[in-house]
Amino acid sequence: QSALTQPASVSGSPGQSITISCTGTSTDVGGYDYVSWYQQHPGEAPKMIIYEVSTRPSGVSDRFSASKSGNTASLTISGLQAEDEAQYHCSSYTPRGRVFGTGTMVTVL
Amino acid sequence: QVQLVQSATDAKKPGASVNVSCKASGGGFANLGVTWVRQAPGQGLEWMGWISSYNGDRKYAQNLQGRVTLTIDTSTSTAYMELKSLRTDDTAIYYCARDQWAGAGPFYWGQGTLVTVSS
Repeated sequence: QSALTQPASVSGSPGQSITISCTGTSTDVGGYDYVSWYQQHPGEAPKMIIYEVSTRPSGVSDRFSASKSGNTASLTISGLQAEDEAQYHCSSYTPRGRVFGTGTMVTVL
Repeated sequence: QVQLVQSATDAKKPGASVNVSCKASGGGFANLGVTWVRQAPGQGLEWMGWISSYNGDRKYAQNLQGRVTLTIDTSTSTAYMELKSLRTDDTAIYYCARDQWAGAGPFYWGQGTLVTVSS
């Protein structure tokens, strides 16, 4: 199972919006509504911020939103803040288990 | 609140095996799945496998098939990951994580266990 494709890095200024893409195939992202997104700060474990394509767990800021179209899922961070600087990983269900994305480093300028 | 506490940092030589434990508290595994994920230095997350705490069903990553074994002891709320025939490129932080919603992916994460493989 190949990793899902994410841009290596995305940057934005405080207050701006950025979008991270996550491209898979019809056997993972495109085939199931079980895409999740994780935020990971340096030295910490990942934290789930989106599940089932677009649902935020309780306590996650509504500045995080997500969607899916075909084989590509997307995460948008609105009103970018310094605390959003982190690595972001997408993940999808597959019949063989799960697959993660290559990871995207978000930098707040 | 669910907490997952993993075993301590470990150092191994190539060819050896490593066993990482993951003890759940504050609700245990709740008949849900436990996922193991690893992260090599400076790299992304790699899914290693999943085990059901309900019936012991397992799924393993193809590239680790035959080297990785997941087990779970529901009586002590502890999950285990054994990786055999270690290579230097197995050096990574190994995480256990528990599902919260079926199919949604791992939600509660352990603190990670650094395993270093070096001669």
